[in-house]
Amino acid sequence: AQSVTQLGSHVSVSEGALVLLRCNYSSSVPPYLFWYVQYPNQGLQLLLKYTSAATLVKGINGFEAEFKKSETSFHLTKPSAHMSDAAEYFCAVSRTGTASKLTFGTGTRLQVTL
Amino acid sequence: KAGVTQTPRYLIKTRGQQVTLSCSPISGHRSVSWYQQTPGQGLQFLFEYFSETQRNKGNFPGRFSGRQFSNSRSEMNVSTLELGDSALYLCASSLEDRVVDEQYFGPGTRLTVT
Repeated sequence: AQSVTQLGSHVSVSEGALVLLRCNYSSSVPPYLFWYVQYPNQGLQLLLKYTSAATLVKGINGFEAEFKKSETSFHLTKPSAHMSDAAEYFCAVSRTGTASKLTFGTGTRLQVTL
Repeated sequence: KAGVTQTPRYLIKTRGQQVTLSCSPISGHRSVSWYQQTPGQGLQFLFEYFSETQRNKGNFPGRFSGRQFSNSRSEMNVSTLELGDSALYLCASSLEDRVVDEQYFGPGTRLTVT
């Protein structure tokens, strides 16, 4: 069985500071990993995905994530936080070959303060 | 291109009733997945339909069912509603023309069971 663990249900950063949201995966096979963002009263929007093509994945809105097999991690980062980044972020994993059945982490709510 | 649409957006039902939720995928997308989101359990996969066939199923009781029509639109039904069924139900569609495709989520239907 595969799963993801998100460390920290709430993260608070100052505007302009580094954003780091942590995700560790557990999978018996090379996983496909995703980061999604959810704004209040909205569905999920894909930020980026890892499909083994490159370990450093760049996504939308300035976010990126690095796949580290030795650490079984896929942490999400952004160099400089913006107020509009305040939302809930979900890490997800899918079994090899399909993205249609995602297993999500518990989510991390990002707060950005002035 | 229009996104994934879900109707209704909000719904209030009474325990014991049944409910049907609708999802229209992005034009051309053949795969539709459903997820339940609650504060306690997070995001959980319900089922996935592809070309009118259920391809994957999550760990939910038989009261939860779904179907997909020839135009890829999908419905999910919950019978004999329980208070614990109160949740945001998200639908996602994908093109399924690559090994790992992206899922595009709708805004969700918020179901409240009283």
